[in-house]
Amino acid sequence: QSALTQPASVSGSPGQSITISCTGTSSDVGSYNLVSWYQQHPGKAPKLMIYEVSKRPSGVSNRFSGSKSGNTASLTISGLQAEDEADYYCCSYAGSSTRLYVFGTGTKVTVL
Amino acid sequence: EVQLVESGGGLVQPGRSLRLSCTASGFTFGDYAMSWVRQAPGKGLEWVGFIRSKAYGGTTEYAASVKGRFTISRDDSKSIAYLQMNSLKTEDTAVYYCTGSGSYFPAFDIWGQGTMVTVSS
Repeated sequence: QSALTQPASVSGSPGQSITISCTGTSSDVGSYNLVSWYQQHPGKAPKLMIYEVSKRPSGVSNRFSGSKSGNTASLTISGLQAEDEADYYCCSYAGSSTRLYVFGTGTKVTVL
Repeated sequence: EVQLVESGGGLVQPGRSLRLSCTASGFTFGDYAMSWVRQAPGKGLEWVGFIRSKAYGGTTEYAASVKGRFTISRDDSKSIAYLQMNSLKTEDTAVYYCTGSGSYFPAFDIWGQGTMVTVSS
């Protein structure tokens, strides 16, 4: 069950923009516009930040945006804030019975 | 308040069984597909399994790593989802999260706080 590939860490200063990549294959990210992103603070449950590649759930800041090109999805955080420091995971619907969803390896975002 | 609360975690020996429960409140449970997602200590998230809403047949899917050992079920009258875990292995040690997919299906828009399962002799 291969996970989607994310950079282990990304950092930025307050106010800057950062982008986290999420690379899959033509069987998952490339096949479906069903990539979601989750934010997880230490010791807490994940929180949905982006669904269907680029849509934001109600209540999520518009500083978070998503996109996709081919087999790679991306999450951009604009106007970086201290509260954005967390782990971020992408997830793609993959459609197979034993691989319905696949998560990314996770990215630690550090606000300098 | 929309909420999922897991229970049933704990320490269990390899080869034994454990059943987790996930109690929902604040939303129409029967309209939601439910999944279990786990996170081993210091590791990333892993999808474990999924049960569709009754409207879509209430059928289940499982990750290859747990297929044949884990079973997900649901009781819509009680707003509870279950994860029955049999033949547990040390590599099943993780925090187990119950998640709901509804408003933003198939994304996981509701998460429980998680329950720790430790498989050790």
